[in-house]
Amino acid sequence: DTGVSQNPRHKITKRGQNVTFRCDPISEHNRLYWYRQTLGQGPEFLTYFQNEAQLEKSRLLSDRFSAERPKGSFSTLEIQRTEQGDSAMYLCASTKGVQGLGYTFGSGTRLTVV
Amino acid sequence: AQSVTQLDSHVSVSEGTPVLLRCNYSSSYSPSLFWYVQHPNKGLQLLLKYTSAATLVKGINGFEAEFKKSETSFHLTKPSAHMSDAAEYFCALSPSGSARQLTFGSGTQLTVLP
Repeated sequence: DTGVSQNPRHKITKRGQNVTFRCDPISEHNRLYWYRQTLGQGPEFLTYFQNEAQLEKSRLLSDRFSAERPKGSFSTLEIQRTEQGDSAMYLCASTKGVQGLGYTFGSGTRLTVV
Repeated sequence: AQSVTQLDSHVSVSEGTPVLLRCNYSSSYSPSLFWYVQHPNKGLQLLLKYTSAATLVKGINGFEAEFKKSETSFHLTKPSAHMSDAAEYFCALSPSGSARQLTFGSGTQLTVLP
């Protein structure tokens, strides 16, 4: 068990470009969450999956954002036509069953849009 | 609706003195409550969690927190601060018994002075 892995760790992109991030959860965890964290703030929920089903999406997840979790394993978060306001740390977390076990977070992907 | 308020954005203590980080919550459900720590450019690490068992919860690295329903508080304490405790601390909640997403406070930056 190597924990939750996120790639890349850092991404710098030009405004208007598309970017994709990947999250590999702990293998037996069936629930996977994406959060966004801006400087000086706590993480904000974006979306979550139970297995391959996307069960909830925040209003923060605009039409330019899409997330997938094919086969209920790794997940990708894509941002199309990036804007400077998308610059943030994107965090992935996973858990098994109900949250009594706690959520395990990855180290995040820091996105900078220039 | 639910929310988390961390009452201090910055706390500064001297090494060897007690730490108190304050968290108040508002929730229409019976909550589960969590404290996470985040070191610079790292993901969030779970310190401790309350999930409707004992109201005094012991966590890692000597931290503990007490759930006080009457005061809607879940303050984090440590008897003696260590230099390595310097980090950002986040209080979070989710509805008890579910795997719904976490709602985070805005964080408290802890500085430990030599």
